[in-house]
Amino acid sequence: NAGVMQNPRHLVRRRGQEARLRCSPMKGHSHVYWYRQLPEEGLKFMVYLQKENIIDESGMPKERFSAEFPKEGPSILRIQQVVRGDSAAYFCASSQGSEEDTQYFGPGTRLTVL
Amino acid sequence: KQEVTQIPAALSVPEGENLVLNCSFTDSAIYNLQWFRQDPGKGLTSLLLIQSSQREQTSGRLNASLDKSSGRSTLYIAASQPGDSATYLCAVRPWETSGSRLTFGEGTQLTVNP
Repeated sequence: NAGVMQNPRHLVRRRGQEARLRCSPMKGHSHVYWYRQLPEEGLKFMVYLQKENIIDESGMPKERFSAEFPKEGPSILRIQQVVRGDSAAYFCASSQGSEEDTQYFGPGTRLTVL
Repeated sequence: KQEVTQIPAALSVPEGENLVLNCSFTDSAIYNLQWFRQDPGKGLTSLLLIQSSQREQTSGRLNASLDKSSGRSTLYIAASQPGDSATYLCAVRPWETSGSRLTFGEGTQLTVNP
């Protein structure tokens, strides 16, 4: 049973480009979470999605960031017009969504903005 | 707003020593608390999850306790080994039906010297 998959593992973008980060949850999991870890900081919640629905996006920056979890395919975190301050590790987690749900984390995507 | 603090920020011990990592949180209305391990450049591995109604959980050489009323948790590692070297993170999940987001501390960086 494969764990949470994220790709790419490393992504380099120039300022102003778009970054698309993908997350495939564990088999049987329908809840996805995105977290960001800035250099020398802890993980911060960004967004919580279920299939085709955004449940909680209270941690998402108001501009340039969006997330989706379509009926088919992986969850996508999209960052438009990237800036250097977006350089960070982006982690995806998934859970079954039951009452005692443990979140299982992927290996992360490390975004570097030049 | 929930805040999670971990003390110490870094810890270096000789192999074989028993050690305690501390985590405190400001809002006691939590659903559960989770301890994770993060290796450099890697994702997070869940170690122990304690439900709000529980006092402790054990897995092998690890024991985590929870005192919800005082807003504290400890992770006890017995007979530490060099392979235990990693950053240890605690995270709390709020007591809200749609609030599955985790709030993380900034971690304790543990080094176990052979």
